[in-house]
Amino acid sequence: GAVVSQHPSWVICKSGTSVKIECRSLDFQATTMFWYRQFPKQSLMLMATSNEGSKATYEQGVEKDKFLINHASLTLSTLTVTSAHPEDSSFYICSASSGSIEETQYFGPGTRLLVL
Amino acid sequence: RKEVEQDPGPFNVPEGATVAFNCTYSNSASQSFFWYRQDCRKEPKLLMSVYSSGNEDGRFTAQLNRASQYISLLIRDSKLSDSATYLCVVKGTGGFKTIFGAGTRLFVKA
Repeated sequence: GAVVSQHPSWVICKSGTSVKIECRSLDFQATTMFWYRQFPKQSLMLMATSNEGSKATYEQGVEKDKFLINHASLTLSTLTVTSAHPEDSSFYICSASSGSIEETQYFGPGTRLLVL
Repeated sequence: RKEVEQDPGPFNVPEGATVAFNCTYSNSASQSFFWYRQDCRKEPKLLMSVYSSGNEDGRFTAQLNRASQYISLLIRDSKLSDSATYLCVVKGTGGFKTIFGAGTRLFVKA
């Protein structure tokens, strides 16, 4: 299957700092990338959908000024958690798709964020 | 009502058992259906797509019932390595929005 990478895999930061997470599709062009957040023992919650070259579409309740998403190329999307707080500590997972509704989403390995 | 609902379990079964999970969805316009598997502290991995005609992959069989708006996953001859959380995934219209179920936890014991 297709490969999606995420970097970093672990982040520990102080409250108030910003954290950038990268998501890359390594062997296909991802016209659409998705960002999810998963709290312990809960399901994945879609935060936003991004299409290359356009603004991300955020789900209800997700602050776009706090979670900045950039999808500058067909292989790279970034999520920046600005002014992180302890409640932002979570497992952040990206996925990538070639864009068709029939196409499988391939997930990155996730990034664990711990805000102290 | 949640858009995608699953029994959270856990299902505790012995090795060799057959176990079935169901998942219901509320949006009749949903178009694509999948089962993903997620191991503890890992990302979800695609297990199989689900088609109206039903599909089988080794010990795994998936079915879709559009009239009743549910999908199912059957695992035969359970292995210890099948222990995981199984996520039902539904894709609809409106920008290919993808909805994940909360997952069903399976423990297979020796």
